[in-house]
Amino acid sequence: DAGVTQTPRHEVAEKGQTIILKCEPVSGHNDLFWYRQTKIQGLELLSYFRSKSLMEDGGAFKDRFKAEMLNSSFSTLKIQPTEPKDSAVYLCASSDNYAEQFFGPGTRLTVL
Amino acid sequence: QQKVQQSPESLIVPEGGMASLNCTSSDRNVDYFWWYRQHSGKSPKMLMSIFSNGEKEEGRFTVHLNKASLHTSLHIRDSQPSDSALYLCAASRAGTGSNRLTFGKGTKFSLIP
Repeated sequence: DAGVTQTPRHEVAEKGQTIILKCEPVSGHNDLFWYRQTKIQGLELLSYFRSKSLMEDGGAFKDRFKAEMLNSSFSTLKIQPTEPKDSAVYLCASSDNYAEQFFGPGTRLTVL
Repeated sequence: QQKVQQSPESLIVPEGGMASLNCTSSDRNVDYFWWYRQHSGKSPKMLMSIFSNGEKEEGRFTVHLNKASLHTSLHIRDSQPSDSALYLCAASRAGTGSNRLTFGKGTKFSLIP
């Protein structure tokens, strides 16, 4: 079975640009999560989907961050417009009914 | 404020030594605790989980849980170079229909070179 895949692995954006990150969860998993990881804040939840329905949208990240789950095997995270403080590693994870979360390799975003 | 607190922030032990990592939740509604390990440049991977009071052992790793104090600890014995990593503790609630995890900021564990 393939694990969680994320593309691109690296992204460099200019301030004010729109970027879209992609994630494919493990086949058959019901839950999909988007996280942001920085050394200062650690792992922060951005969005959580269960069976394609949005369960949580990460409060403080609502204004410029939008995650969508177009079907059970594909999700996107749009950041619009990007700011330098958005530079971080963005991780996607999936799980099956309260079991462990499997993380993808992450996308390292640098905003200039 | 961070709902899952981990200590220490960093820990260095000699190869072959023992280490203890701590984690406490301030959310009294949590039921499950998870330990994830993240090697440098990699993504987190679950190491162990514990849902009941007591301890659980897997190889060189032992996890303890005290539900009354919402405290869990991870003990590593005979530390090996491959154990050097960021150890993340997470907590979740059962019976809510949610599989959301709240993560601590982690303990950076390394061996004395």
